[in-house]
Amino acid sequence: DAKTTQPPSMDCAEGRAANLPCNHSTISGNEYVYWYRQIHSQGPQYIIHGLKNNETNEMASLIITEDRKSSTLILPHATLRDTAVYYCIVRVTNTGNQFYFGTGTSLTVIP
Amino acid sequence: DAMVIQNPRYQVTQFGKPVTLSCSQTLNHNVMYWYQQKSSQAPKLLFHYYDKDFNNEADTPDNFQSRRPNTSFCFLDIRSPGLGDAAMYLCATRGGTHNEQFFGPGTRLTVL
Repeated sequence: DAKTTQPPSMDCAEGRAANLPCNHSTISGNEYVYWYRQIHSQGPQYIIHGLKNNETNEMASLIITEDRKSSTLILPHATLRDTAVYYCIVRVTNTGNQFYFGTGTSLTVIP
Repeated sequence: DAMVIQNPRYQVTQFGKPVTLSCSQTLNHNVMYWYQQKSSQAPKLLFHYYDKDFNNEADTPDNFQSRRPNTSFCFLDIRSPGLGDAAMYLCATRGGTHNEQFFGPGTRLTVL
């Protein structure tokens, strides 16, 4: 599975959009991009995933570049409860079952 | 609600004393995982099961073993815990609409 690179930390003002980047320049054509977050002392929680089209759900939006080498997770109106570590993972869904976590981005939402 | 349950939430053991961590799921998912997460680090995959098919990661120490007696339950056995094995241990399943993972709350292991 391709490796991911994320900034180690970011701040965001409460109520503003949080844009979390992820670089996955070695991604293969059949690898999906998954995003999870982990609030302190809890298990990681699924947020969203995509292959090549942009995706949106009730939690976030996922923007994937046309060449698929990077993506951005967008939390449209960040709240204090969005303070967490956000992990970007790429994986093949039709072979193997492994999910390997990268180093993640620690997002702090500031009042 | 369907969920992944880990017991106990906190476990204390002594150096070298075997310990077993438990995980159960009500999601009826085929795949179950064990991760180790040390302080300020990302979760590290130890092994996973697809049904009864066990898949060990190449760098998982022999000190770590696992059992899955049925779909619902999975156990992590640490045969001789060392101080370096103190960590949060996370259990997860995979399935659902998006083929995503569902995590339990974790068991924090302390080794004295």
